[in-house]
Amino acid sequence: QKEVEQDPGPLSVPEGAIVSLNCTYSNSAFQYFMWYRQYSRKGPELLMYTYSSGNKEDGRFTAQVDKSSKYISLFIRDSQPSDSATYLCATTQAAGNKLTFGGGTRVLVKP
Amino acid sequence: DAGVTQSPTHLIKTRGQQVTLRCSPKSGHDTVSWYQQALGQGPQFIFQYYEEEERQRGNFPDRFSGHQFPNYSSELNVNALLLGDSALYLCASSPDNRGTEAFFGQGTRLTVV
Repeated sequence: QKEVEQDPGPLSVPEGAIVSLNCTYSNSAFQYFMWYRQYSRKGPELLMYTYSSGNKEDGRFTAQVDKSSKYISLFIRDSQPSDSATYLCATTQAAGNKLTFGGGTRVLVKP
Repeated sequence: DAGVTQSPTHLIKTRGQQVTLRCSPKSGHDTVSWYQQALGQGPQFIFQYYEEEERQRGNFPDRFSGHQFPNYSSELNVNALLLGDSALYLCASSPDNRGTEAFFGQGTRLTVV
């Protein structure tokens, strides 16, 4: 069993819809949770990170962490075709430690 | 700011050969990590360098080795290449060992034939 699980998709939504992405993890020692966006043939780009449980909002993006259920989510409001990419969740036990990634979810936003 | 730069962008090698990939970290970053990303998978941690020493290592064989130079740039070396080593190799840099602010380069796509 992988430490971080993520549905590979693809997740197809119409432009303007809310995109809902989630990951589950197994190691309760994980403390920091990140979401990366990766366009085809590019490196991952950090979107957001949160520490421990709670919500964090940045523009159209909202990240949620529920440590009691080991569940992390990313919501993208008013989705745009430019949001079409693979979204990777990642986690780590402490700042500076290695990142453990999920397999990524491919998102397609159709005009 | 140039961000994290990696070279070369693409590389084709023959099974059994050796390869060296290079990474220049973002300005002000002193910690460099390397990841391997197979097609359709998430990145897998190879190792991390800080102050020219390997601090952490993932579950990769000794064929994978690295180095960090005084200017914080880094190299990833892979010996005795296998077909299964074909992947996107990503370099990430972060400041003062704060891995939560890791910035990735565009990667080097290695194809082993």
